[in-house]
Amino acid sequence: DADVTQTPRNRITKTGKRIMLECSQTKGHDRMYWYRQDPGLGLRLIYYSFDVKDINKGEISDGYSVSRQAQAKFSLSLESAIPNQTALYFCATSDSGQPRTGELFFGEGSRLTVL
Amino acid sequence: RKEVEQDPGPFNVPEGATVAFNCTYSNSASQSFFWYRQDCRKEPKLLMSVYSSGNEDGRFTAQLNRASQYISLLIRDSKLSDSATYLCVVNLHYGNQFYFGTGTSLTVIP
Repeated sequence: DADVTQTPRNRITKTGKRIMLECSQTKGHDRMYWYRQDPGLGLRLIYYSFDVKDINKGEISDGYSVSRQAQAKFSLSLESAIPNQTALYFCATSDSGQPRTGELFFGEGSRLTVL
Repeated sequence: RKEVEQDPGPFNVPEGATVAFNCTYSNSASQSFFWYRQDCRKEPKLLMSVYSSGNEDGRFTAQLNRASQYISLLIRDSKLSDSATYLCVVNLHYGNQFYFGTGTSLTVIP
């Protein structure tokens, strides 16, 4: 089983619908992140959380919200999806005890299409 | 201005060739530097960290030039399995936000 699990892996939805992407991890890491990846734009940070009580906006947080329900769970919500939110979304974790290694552990990604 | 800039390629090289990727970053306060590898339709995975003195891991050599704000990755004796997208990653404060380049695509041809 993957250490960082994202659900759903693929989702097609319509404009205006509410969507939640979920992420859970078994690595015991305290830090969790949500990125989106678009062709030609690379990975861009949406939100990150350093612990359950700490949530921070990233580069492109508009139109998104997050919830850190537990150390192991970090969900991303699109309250009213729009077509330009069509992208590949990645959840990632890292260990604050190993900041210099730079190792982010990614989930397998959630491909979201908004029609 | 983007935090991290990379030549997107694509680079198409024959097996056994040596290929080099370059990356520049905009913030001189950047603290740590990395190369990640991403296979098609897969998640990125850490390839190697980049240290000021330069470092090597088998066929892969990474270099950092802080004065020029420039990072490089050299792959020697390319293998078919090296075909992937290589992402340059910069961290402003240890463990804080990671900034990704758009990636450089490499295809190694038999």
